[in-house]
Amino acid sequence: NAGVTQTPKFRILKIGQSMTLQCAQDMNHNYMYWYRQDPGMGLKLIYYSVGAGITDKGEVPNGYNVSRSTTEDFPLRLELAAPSQTSVYFCASSYTSGTQYQPQHFGDGTRLSIL
Amino acid sequence: GENVEQHPSTLSVQEGDSAVIKCTYSDSASNYFPWYKQELGKRPQLIIDIRSNVGEKKDQRIAVTLNKTAKHFSLHITETQPEDSAVYFCAASIVDFGNEKLTFGTGTRLTIIP
Repeated sequence: NAGVTQTPKFRILKIGQSMTLQCAQDMNHNYMYWYRQDPGMGLKLIYYSVGAGITDKGEVPNGYNVSRSTTEDFPLRLELAAPSQTSVYFCASSYTSGTQYQPQHFGDGTRLSIL
Repeated sequence: GENVEQHPSTLSVQEGDSAVIKCTYSDSASNYFPWYKQELGKRPQLIIDIRSNVGEKKDQRIAVTLNKTAKHFSLHITETQPEDSAVYFCAASIVDFGNEKLTFGTGTRLTIIP
């Protein structure tokens, strides 16, 4: 099991460019999440998904889009990158079904700088 | 929505002493409280969690206590070691089918002094 895999690990973008952060999990988890972590700060939820085809906004969704076409993949799209989006982005997944629960497991993160 | 406050923001303890980090939450419906450890440049990793139907849980040198009435929970690390140095995050969630979002505290930077 690879767990949660994020690509790329590092990326530098110019203001106004777009990119997609990839996230894949092989644990058959139904929930997937995207967080951002600014330097010295906690984790803020951007978007999450409870299953394929279903996504919902978190605390800080502006400037981002997501899709969930399969159980395994949950890409995060940045349109028109802005310096305020410079951050470390973490993808996570978990499993919830009735009384069964597997807690959130995080990927290694993508460090994104917008210059 | 849920609001989680975490204290202190920084904590330094002598190696071998105990460390305590405290969190409060606002939503009385929250029923799941994990703690994550994040080493510098690494991903958050779950170290212990507790459900609202228990008051305390231990795993070797770490323990978590929960007071539902007061809506606060704490992480206790005993016999601290240098490898315990990291940032620790508490979180709260309502774990229920169809609703599982964690709200994180702002983190505590723990430094173990050799």
